[in-house]
Amino acid sequence: DTEVTQTPKHLVMGMTNKKSLKCEQHMGHRAMYWYKQKAKKPPELMFVYSYEKLSINESVPSRFSPECPNSSLLNLHLHALQPEDSALYLCASSQSPFVTTANYGYTFGSGTRLTVV
Amino acid sequence: AQSVTQPDIHITVSEGASLELRCNYSYGATPYLFWYVQSPGQGLQLLLKYFSGDTLVQGIKGFEAEFKRSQSSFNLRKPSVHWSDAAEYFCAVARMNSGGYQKVTFGTGTKLQVIP
Repeated sequence: DTEVTQTPKHLVMGMTNKKSLKCEQHMGHRAMYWYKQKAKKPPELMFVYSYEKLSINESVPSRFSPECPNSSLLNLHLHALQPEDSALYLCASSQSPFVTTANYGYTFGSGTRLTVV
Repeated sequence: AQSVTQPDIHITVSEGASLELRCNYSYGATPYLFWYVQSPGQGLQLLLKYFSGDTLVQGIKGFEAEFKRSQSSFNLRKPSVHWSDAAEYFCAVARMNSGGYQKVTFGTGTKLQVIP
């Protein structure tokens, strides 16, 4: 299995809703990432999990809450979002969280298209 | 700060023509560089990567890239473009934060249009 699977593919939520995005990989990767991508922009890093522990939070608002229940699963809990949070949310994983020559780059999921109304 | 710049926002090439997408980086040490491709509404797929060694790296789908330290460049090339290559291409660099963890930063992307 060489894929990162994200569900759901599309999500529409109101500003008072609570929802969760799910990401799963079975490649034995020890680092997992959440990226946010607005239209016609590059992906921007939100969170990094290394060995199931949060290692980087790029000053993301608290209405986004990540969770890593185990080494294969990464969730992003959403609460009280704003319309400007509408974007493509990408999950990625890598063999190692460190910059090494053995690191083969990121494997990305196909993303969740989130619309906040 | 370490970054990558993609000077071309949009490029149009004819099918069968050669392609070169430009990427310039700024980093003091040897950078870890990547090229990713993104089809509309999809995630990113790794095309190739450079860490060290041979400066000409081969990737998937017939792409290659050449690392030129003197020009701080890592341009992506393909000798003959296919219509299915139409997509957004991102150059990226991996850097290490103060905790030793890697952070991958993407360039602004180049949108490739392929015409018959």
